[in-house]
Amino acid sequence: DAGVIQSPRHEVTEMGQEVTLRCKPISGHNSLFWYRQTMMRGLELLIYFNNNVPIDDSGMPEDRFSAKMPNASFSTLKIQPSEPRDSAVYFCASSPRDRGNTIYFGEGSWLTVV
Amino acid sequence: AQSVTQPDIHITVSEGASLELRCNYSYGATPYLFWYVQSPGQGLQLLLKYFSGDTLVQGIKGFEAEFKRSQSSFNLRKPSVHWSDAAEYFCAVGARGNDMRFGAGTRLTVKP
Repeated sequence: DAGVIQSPRHEVTEMGQEVTLRCKPISGHNSLFWYRQTMMRGLELLIYFNNNVPIDDSGMPEDRFSAKMPNASFSTLKIQPSEPRDSAVYFCASSPRDRGNTIYFGEGSWLTVV
Repeated sequence: AQSVTQPDIHITVSEGASLELRCNYSYGATPYLFWYVQSPGQGLQLLLKYFSGDTLVQGIKGFEAEFKRSQSSFNLRKPSVHWSDAAEYFCAVGARGNDMRFGAGTRLTVKP
């Protein structure tokens, strides 16, 4: 059974460029999460979706960040324009059911903005 | 909203010694509690979880955790640590709607 699949695994980009991170959740899971991990701030929830609908995006740091989930098997996190302080590991995760069920993480997208 | 505190940023133990990682949570209702482990360069893997019932839960890799409502704690324990347990450990609390919050993590170093 395939886990949560994220791409790219690593990306180095220049400041000001658009970055798009992609995620394919585990089939059948109806909740999807985007987290950001940095040394300074730890693991932060950016946004999560239930049944493709954004439920809580209060963790999205700025308008430069946006996330979409056009269907049950795909989500994107976009940063436009990117800045060096956006450098972090971005994790996508999915969960099979509402109400606090187990969350399964992808291996992360390691973003460096220079 | 719920929150999690892991008081220890870094812990070092000798291989074979016992381990306890602390976790305190804040949440108004009965929480869903989790421990995850993250090895370098990897995503987070679930060790164990507590939803209800027996307050002592067993997980993978020989780990266990005990939910203590009176202390708002969910400490992770292992009786004998192996070198392969060196990793970062995250406690998390979940609420309705899958709103899960993670602690800052505790990095475990295992001495030979």
